[in-house]
Amino acid sequence: EAQLVESGGGLVQPGGSLKLSCAASGFSFSASDMHWVRQASGKGLEWVGLIRSKPNSDAAAYAASVKGRFTISRDDSKNMAYLEMNSLKTEDTAVYFCSRHYYAGNYYYFDLWGRGTLVTVSS
Amino acid sequence: DIQMTQSPSSLSASVGDRVTISCRASQSISSYLNWYQQKPEKAPKLLIYAASSLQSGVPSRFSGSGSGTDFTLTISSVQPEDFATYYCQQSSATPLTFGGGTKVEIK
Repeated sequence: EAQLVESGGGLVQPGGSLKLSCAASGFSFSASDMHWVRQASGKGLEWVGLIRSKPNSDAAAYAASVKGRFTISRDDSKNMAYLEMNSLKTEDTAVYFCSRHYYAGNYYYFDLWGRGTLVTVSS
Repeated sequence: DIQMTQSPSSLSASVGDRVTISCRASQSISSYLNWYQQKPEKAPKLLIYAASSLQSGVPSRFSGSGSGTDFTLTISSVQPEDFATYYCQQSSATPLTFGGGTKVEIK
C-alpha cells in the first residue's frame, strides 16, 4: 500500500529553522514528483513547493511566500523528501502535508497525501 | 498567479439534497482542475481530476463539470459522510493554487 509519513514538526522560535521529512513507501518514489502543501489552523490549503523526479529534471519550485527561505530536496536511495525551513515567521505556523503528484496523460493531481506534521512558530 | 475563487464559502444541506459548488479561475485553465474533500484533522482526498474524471473508489454521486474558467462540483444526493470541506485546485501552472474552500454542513 502506498504511503507517505511526515515527521520533524514542532515548536520553533521566529527566525529559527526546522527540517521536515517525508518517508515514502509502496510506490516508485524515484519516478514521482513530490510536493509540500500547508494549512494554517482553520484556513485553506496553500501550496508550498515541489521537487521533480530526476527523469523530470530534479528541479524545485516554490511559492513566493517561502522562496529564498525554504528548500525542498529528495534522497531517492532512502525514499525520502525533505523540507528545510529557515528564517521562520509566525505566519509559517501550519500543518505541513507531503503529497505525491500523479500524472495521468496530460493531467496531474495530488493522489496521495501524508497525515501532516504541525509546525508552530512562536516565541 | 492563477487565482481560484470558490462559492459559496459554506452551505447547509439535508441528507439527500443536491449540492453544487462553484469554482472560478482568474484565467483559462482548460480542464486542469481537481477537486478534493477534507474532513477535520485529516488530509485532503482526491475526488475529481481533469475537471470531470472520477477518481477510483469515489462514489458516483460526485461529479465535476466545466472547462476554461468556470467549474462545478455536484453531489447528486448528499450523504452523512459527505459533510466536509471541498477545495478546487488548478494544475495548469505553478504556483499551484487552491480555492478558499466550501464547507458543507448538515442542516
